[in-house]
Amino acid sequence: EAGVTQFPSHSVIEKGQTVTLRCDPISGHDNLYWYRRVMGKEIKFLLHFVKESKQDESGMPNNRFLAERTGGTYSTLKVQPAELEDSGVYFCASSLLAGGSSLTQYFGPGTRLLVL
Amino acid sequence: EDQVTQSPEALRLQEGESSSLNCSYTVSGLRGLFWYRQDPGKGPEFLFTLYSAGEEKEKERLKATLTKKESFLHITAPKPEDSATYLCAVPQGGGNKLTFGTGTQLKVEL
Repeated sequence: EAGVTQFPSHSVIEKGQTVTLRCDPISGHDNLYWYRRVMGKEIKFLLHFVKESKQDESGMPNNRFLAERTGGTYSTLKVQPAELEDSGVYFCASSLLAGGSSLTQYFGPGTRLLVL
Repeated sequence: EDQVTQSPEALRLQEGESSSLNCSYTVSGLRGLFWYRQDPGKGPEFLFTLYSAGEEKEKERLKATLTKKESFLHITAPKPEDSATYLCAVPQGGGNKLTFGTGTQLKVEL
């Protein structure tokens, strides 16, 4: 079974440019999460989708970040315009919708974003 | 606010030298504690979920235990391939979002 996949694996952009990250969750996982790890800090929550709806976006840093999940399948996270402090590793995770193991989140390999 | 603290930050072991990693948490109404392993350049890989104090889970050389205030990840007779960063996390509040610790970077040498 395929795990969570993310694209691209790396992205280097200039300040002010736009970048779009993509996440494909494990098939059948209706919960999808975005997290971010900035240099030297712990992984921090950004956003949670249940199917195509935003369940919790309390971790989104500001309105330069836009997340979508059209059709409840893959998700995109757009940063526009990018700032230096947006550099870090962006992780996507997914989990089942319900049941005893619905809290267990499976992570993708991450997208390493560097804003110059 | 929910907090997760891991210690030590880094640990260097000789092959075969057993040890334990600690994860202390402060959260009201614990609904689970998760351990992940992360290799350089990769995403966190799920290891264990513990739900209640007294629970233990094992996988190869790893055993995770849980009390009301902390969790331990015991590594028995580690091998170099066990070298990685070990992360613990708890669901925050009433939702699913995870609060992570900063991790313990383990290096096992021959």
